[in-house]
Amino acid sequence: GAGVSQTPSNKVTEKGKYVELRCDPISGHTALYWYRQSLGQGPEFLIYFQGTGAADDSGLPNDRFFAVRPEGSVSTLKIQRTERGDSAVYLCASSPLAGGYNEQFFGPGTRLTVL
Amino acid sequence: QKEVEQNSGPLSVPEGAIASLNCTYSDRGSQSFFWYRQYSGKSPELIMSIYSNGDKEDGRFTAQLNKASQYVSLLIRDSQPSDSATYLCAVIRAGTASKLTFGTGTRLQVTL
Repeated sequence: GAGVSQTPSNKVTEKGKYVELRCDPISGHTALYWYRQSLGQGPEFLIYFQGTGAADDSGLPNDRFFAVRPEGSVSTLKIQRTERGDSAVYLCASSPLAGGYNEQFFGPGTRLTVL
Repeated sequence: QKEVEQNSGPLSVPEGAIASLNCTYSDRGSQSFFWYRQYSGKSPELIMSIYSNGDKEDGRFTAQLNKASQYVSLLIRDSQPSDSATYLCAVIRAGTASKLTFGTGTRLQVTL
């Protein structure tokens, strides 16, 4: 079956602009996660959705970052007033259920470059 | 102290040998442990999960967990050049709603 998909694969923007990154999870997966990975580092957690609601947004770095999942499937990560330090690969993952024993499967990522 | 620690490598092993990748974690309440493989420029791919002490084998891969020592490892038997990648260790800490905490990864090079 289809895996997690993310669009766009690459996004180049200018400092101060607004961007939206989209994630389409594996069909039937109720849990969805966003992570951010900088060069040479492991992915860092941003936010987790169970269904439509954000169950844990403790990883969002500041209020310029926001994510939604209005119908419990596709999610959009929104970044306002982008800064050069936001440049990274943004990864989305999904799992069938929430909880500590559920494996997370990653999409291909969106590489964001802020000039 | 980092929550999840891995030697960054590179770890170089000859083709056909056993590669041993190690990971330690600081939170004794961690409950779930995962190994992901990441090729350069690609996203992490799940290769093993382990939840209880002992060994878990899947093909050429064996994950080992020792909660008393807060240590998890991945063994790759009969290493192939296609195994050359960065291996990320990740844990789920108790009470953290299933978010993964990753190490920085170990780069494995399998030489001909």
